Amino acid sequence: GDSVTQMEGPVTLSEEAFLTINCTYTATGYPSLFWYVQYPGEGLQLLLKATKADDKGSNKGFEATYRKETTSFHLEKGSVQVSDSAVYFCALLGNAGNMLTFGGGTRLMVKP
Amino acid sequence: DTGVSQNPRHKITKRGQNVTFRCDPISEHNRLYWYRQTLGQGPEFLTYFQNEAQLEKSRLLSDRFSAERPKGSFSTLEIQRTEQGDSAMYLCASERGGHDTQYFGPGTRLTVL
Repeated sequence: GDSVTQMEGPVTLSEEAFLTINCTYTATGYPSLFWYVQYPGEGLQLLLKATKADDKGSNKGFEATYRKETTSFHLEKGSVQVSDSAVYFCALLGNAGNMLTFGGGTRLMVKP
Repeated sequence: DTGVSQNPRHKITKRGQNVTFRCDPISEHNRLYWYRQTLGQGPEFLTYFQNEAQLEKSRLLSDRFSAERPKGSFSTLEIQRTEQGDSAMYLCASERGGHDTQYFGPGTRLTVL
């Protein structure tokens, strides 16, 4: 079945550092890929998405490129801020159904 | 859009009691999903409605769980004879059909004592 694997956290960075959170997936066909963010005490918010190979999703300075050859969708940001501290979830929407399959989440902590 | 709303936000109950949660989707979103999230894990799919029809259910949804969406608008998720293992965050999401993007509510945190 479909699965998503994320790097384990927590990831601790200083403000203005470069961020990469790795995400790889297993799925049949051509899934859509998503990054969701969960701030403390809040629900999941869609951060960005990509629906086909080589698409780049971007939002709020975050980017991720859909790489079918490596089945990856790594999240990057050039300069993180304290306000980016949250849990980040990679997810896929497979061809077999309408449910999202999530990774385990990666906690990001940004220190001033 | 006013967003997806869920009530209650928190529920504490004793083992063996029944609980019911409500989800109000974004208006005109015809698809509605329920997920469960345990501490430190990603959400896991429970069930999915298109309008009032329940189209898919996960193996996680035991016979103690039932979900309804009677008029194709709000949905309820009921858990009968709760167990401590049911303690989790229950998330609802809605989607405008064909747009491939699910919007999540704040969740209902259930604690079973």
